[in-house]
Amino acid sequence: DAGITQSPRHKVTETGTPVTLRCHQTENHRYMYWYRQDPGHGLRLIHYSYGVKDTDKGEVSDGYSVSRSKTEDFLLTLESATSSQTSVYFCAISGARETQYFGPGTRLLVL
Amino acid sequence: DQQVKQNSPSLSVQEGRISILNCDYTNSMFDYFLWYKKYPAEGPTFLISISSIKDKNEDGRFTVFLNKSAKHLSLHIVPSQPGDSAVYFCAAGGGGSEKLVFGKGTKLTVNP
Repeated sequence: DAGITQSPRHKVTETGTPVTLRCHQTENHRYMYWYRQDPGHGLRLIHYSYGVKDTDKGEVSDGYSVSRSKTEDFLLTLESATSSQTSVYFCAISGARETQYFGPGTRLLVL
Repeated sequence: DQQVKQNSPSLSVQEGRISILNCDYTNSMFDYFLWYKKYPAEGPTFLISISSIKDKNEDGRFTVFLNKSAKHLSLHIVPSQPGDSAVYFCAAGGGGSEKLVFGKGTKLTVNP
């Protein structure tokens, strides 16, 4: 299994508060990704990174920002959480030939 | 505009029989296709992949078939086991991009 951890694993927060989710890898992979999974929508890409300080938007990036100051860490920030951001968030890293390996997920509830 | 479609939200099969999960794509630039399996409360796990230069790839009980002219791929599981019960996601990538596009998933239930 790829060495990917996510923290926290569960979080409950209130509307309007900022939230930061962390993804940490021990594989030294260049590419890292943040997805959200919602019923009826599958996995949708929020943001991804192709190197330290190099990031780009995905399909559903509004309301989210990311940062990558070290190869091993990729942070996802909800600037002002809304109920529509209640979801399960997965981090992934890219190994060979576009195969991505996923972390265990963070379940976020915004009240 | 869905580039990767899994038209069956669910599939139920008997243990020991074949499970066939289908996936269609629209972007002819895709040249690499993957299947992931996801159990509840866990992250998706990579199952099997296929490059567009092949039409079949096999790994144990799992075989993926690619029909490029129809822009269609399928995952065959033979024989199906109760532990195969999970959500299966099809994904596609390529064209110089490191991003993958995922289908919405098919929930497979294998009944003992």
